[in-house]
Amino acid sequence: GESVGLHLPTLSVQEGDNSIINCAYSNSASDYFIWYKQESGKGPQFIIDIRSNMDKRQGQRVTVLLNKTVKHLSLQIAATQPGDSAVYFCAENRGYSTLTFGKGTMLLVSP
Amino acid sequence: DGGITQSPKYLFRKEGQNVTLSCEQNLNHDAMYWYRQDPGQGLRLIYYSQIVNDFQKGDIAEGYSVSREKKESFPLTVTSAQKNPTAFYLCASSTDRGQGYTFGSGTRLTVV
Repeated sequence: GESVGLHLPTLSVQEGDNSIINCAYSNSASDYFIWYKQESGKGPQFIIDIRSNMDKRQGQRVTVLLNKTVKHLSLQIAATQPGDSAVYFCAENRGYSTLTFGKGTMLLVSP
Repeated sequence: DGGITQSPKYLFRKEGQNVTLSCEQNLNHDAMYWYRQDPGQGLRLIYYSQIVNDFQKGDIAEGYSVSREKKESFPLTVTSAQKNPTAFYLCASSTDRGQGYTFGSGTRLTVV
């Protein structure tokens, strides 16, 4: 399928490395944050979420960190695999508003 | 299996024609959304609906129309008024606006 990653920031890592993808969000009142993974030609898939009353949340091989002071969100992927290659989006939500999505970061994992 | 289905996967339209993109979900979600995705621009909200027979414009609604006659279905019509319709269209649903979305697999629309 056609790539959605043209002109996106790109992070290139070696297989087995840890990856850190960063996101600056816009609204200081946002209280819910989500990371999505999108493979080429497919719809985004939910990875992990975090509410504003937390600083850190861990999933399987993934960790999300939230720094509300500087409005920064990061996604850490441990032991990155070639199957992790995709575009990663952060999204923010405030109360009952619709999600606002970032532009995404392309992760390229070399064997 | 519960999920959200978009069809067709690829769609070609001649200039001046209207086309309708299908989105069906069996997740019993109240809210549904349409996004447009262009390379390097992320997801932009076209329309969303929180309940049957009600919908609101998103950030780029001009040239598009929707209906929500059934909870399960939220079709998007791309009209001839949309000046640059070639894009990847994504449908999503959620239990309510405050929760994460489940996305469909997308429809690639190309104007020929």
